[in-house]
Amino acid sequence: QKEVEQDPGPLSVPEGAIVSLNCTYSNSAFQYFMWYRQYSRKGPELLMYTYSSGNKEDGRFTAQVDKSSKYISLFIRDSQPSDSATYLCAMKSGNEKLTFGTGTRLTIIP
Amino acid sequence: GAGVSQSPRYKVAKRGQDVALRCDPISGHVSLFWYQQALGQGPEFLTYFQNEAQLDKSGLPSDRFFAERPEGSVSTLKIQRTQQEDSAVYLCASSFPLAEQYFGPGTRLTVT
Repeated sequence: QKEVEQDPGPLSVPEGAIVSLNCTYSNSAFQYFMWYRQYSRKGPELLMYTYSSGNKEDGRFTAQVDKSSKYISLFIRDSQPSDSATYLCAMKSGNEKLTFGTGTRLTIIP
Repeated sequence: GAGVSQSPRYKVAKRGQDVALRCDPISGHVSLFWYQQALGQGPEFLTYFQNEAQLDKSGLPSDRFFAERPEGSVSTLKIQRTQQEDSAVYLCASSFPLAEQYFGPGTRLTVT
């Protein structure tokens, strides 16, 4: 079993919809949680970085962490075709190395 | 520079050849990371440097993989006697200690 589980999709939603992406994890030592966006043939781009349980909002993006359930989510409001990409969750404990999910491939349909 | 740069962007190697992949981190970033991303998968950790010291190499898949950062800035990932299973995108990331990691565009390695 992988330490971080993420549904690979693909996920297709119409433009303007709310998108919900999520990951579960098994390692209770994970303390820092990130969401990266990766366009085709590009490197991952950091979207959100959170430490504690709760919500963090940045523009159209909201990251949610529930440490008791070992579950993290990313919500995208008013989705745009430019949001079409692969979304990777990542997490780390006290050391530096990141453990990633598989990534969810998202397509926003105009 | 504006971000992490990597070269070459694409590399085709014949099985058994040695390759060297270069990473230029963001200026001032102390920490540097290498990850391997197979097709359709998330990146997997290979190794980590703080300045010139290699603090964690637990993710290197075999002794054919070797990384260095001799002056604490540019890093090179070397793969000896490449095998087909080494085909992947190799990503470099840099950061300040314990801070967010910023990734380069990656080097796509194809071993034929």
